[in-house]
Amino acid sequence: GAGVSQSPSNKVTEKGKDVELRCDPISGHTALYWYRQSLGQGLEFLIYFQGNSAPDKSGLPSDRFSAERTGGSVSTLTIQRTQQEDSAVYLCASSSGTRGTSTDTQYFGPGTRLTVL
Amino acid sequence: KNQVEQSPQSLIILEGKNCTLQCNYTVSPFSNLRWYKQDTGRGPVSLTIMTFSENTKSNGRYTATLDADTKQSSLHITASQLSDSASYICVVSEGGSYIPTFGRGTSLIVHP
Repeated sequence: GAGVSQSPSNKVTEKGKDVELRCDPISGHTALYWYRQSLGQGLEFLIYFQGNSAPDKSGLPSDRFSAERTGGSVSTLTIQRTQQEDSAVYLCASSSGTRGTSTDTQYFGPGTRLTVL
Repeated sequence: KNQVEQSPQSLIILEGKNCTLQCNYTVSPFSNLRWYKQDTGRGPVSLTIMTFSENTKSNGRYTATLDADTKQSSLHITASQLSDSASYICVVSEGGSYIPTFGRGTSLIVHP
């Protein structure tokens, strides 16, 4: 079956521009995560969606970052007024757990590599 | 602050050889520890998961160990293959939290 997909795979943008990154989770998965992976760093949690509950936005680094999940499926991460320090790989993951427990296996997409010039 | 430290940062071995990667953590209360494999340009894929009561878990040529008392884990790769070249990431979850803490990974290169 299809795994988690993300688009675009690569995005190059100029400083100050807005970008949208898309994630299609595995069908039926209620939980969706966004992470950021900077060079030489561990994955950094950004935001978590679980079903119809309010998302956990505690990892978003600034108010330039926002995300939404429409219809409990596709999610979009938006970065406004991009800065060079936003350059990183943005990974999306989904899991089937309905309680959001830490033992739920997360399935990752291939990521979007964002480069801000 | 929860932390996960991995060593070595990078490792180069010859095909067919064994290797062991290390992970130390300070996450508390502990729930579980996973090892992920991340191929270049791909997302991480879970290899093993261990809870507090488990001290070893195998997945083919991969064997993970856990010492919850010393808060250490290792991933042993037996008879390495070229396809084992990847980044191996240790991930520790806190009890009651769905947000795991990721290590920076060990970059493994297997040479023919």
